[in-house]
Amino acid sequence: EADIYQTPRYLVIGTGKKITLECSQTMGHDKMYWYQQDPGMELHLIHYSYGVNSTEKGDLSSESTVSRIRTEHFPLTLESARPSHTSQYLCASSETGSGTDTQYFGPGTRLTVL
Amino acid sequence: GQSLEQPSEVTAVEGAIVQINCTYQTSGFYGLSWYQQHDGGAPTFLSYNALDGLEETGRFSSFLSRSDSYGYLLLQELQMKDSASYFCAVRSGTDKLIFGTGTRLQVFP
Repeated sequence: EADIYQTPRYLVIGTGKKITLECSQTMGHDKMYWYQQDPGMELHLIHYSYGVNSTEKGDLSSESTVSRIRTEHFPLTLESARPSHTSQYLCASSETGSGTDTQYFGPGTRLTVL
Repeated sequence: GQSLEQPSEVTAVEGAIVQINCTYQTSGFYGLSWYQQHDGGAPTFLSYNALDGLEETGRFSSFLSRSDSYGYLLLQELQMKDSASYFCAVRSGTDKLIFGTGTRLQVFP
């Protein structure tokens, strides 16, 4: 069973607030990812990391930023939340050299910006 | 651009067999994966095909034809708990996955 955690699970916040979504994994995976997913829709990659101090933007433009100071931790920050940021944010991790490239997902954070 | 197309919805009854298709157009291709996601839940890995042919895992099988840029997920002996969304995903390079549009499967008694 995958050990990847996200907090908070649900967040309702006002416009203009700064928020940080936490993601941690205990599997020692070097690769980590953030996806954005609206209800019933596909997953869009917004950030990824291949290891400590490595971060890259994904295919979907996002105003959020990420950091990877420790292998197990990959937080996502929104400096000023807006209603357009309302969505579900999913964190995932995978292991280099895994033949199937399996990604393990956290439970997600459902963000609502009023 | 890169895209993966799936039917938006499929319905079936318990005990039946259903096939979910995925056609892809990507700049590179290393393998096709399938993920299951229940409402409100996280995606979970089901299967992976790097080579042409059929891979079987219990009630689920996955097929790939690289020459046709096409694959499918076959679910047999459907159960109510199989009601979920199913996503195909292509690894086009550097370990990033591009996900399909998703297929919502509804299983009826």
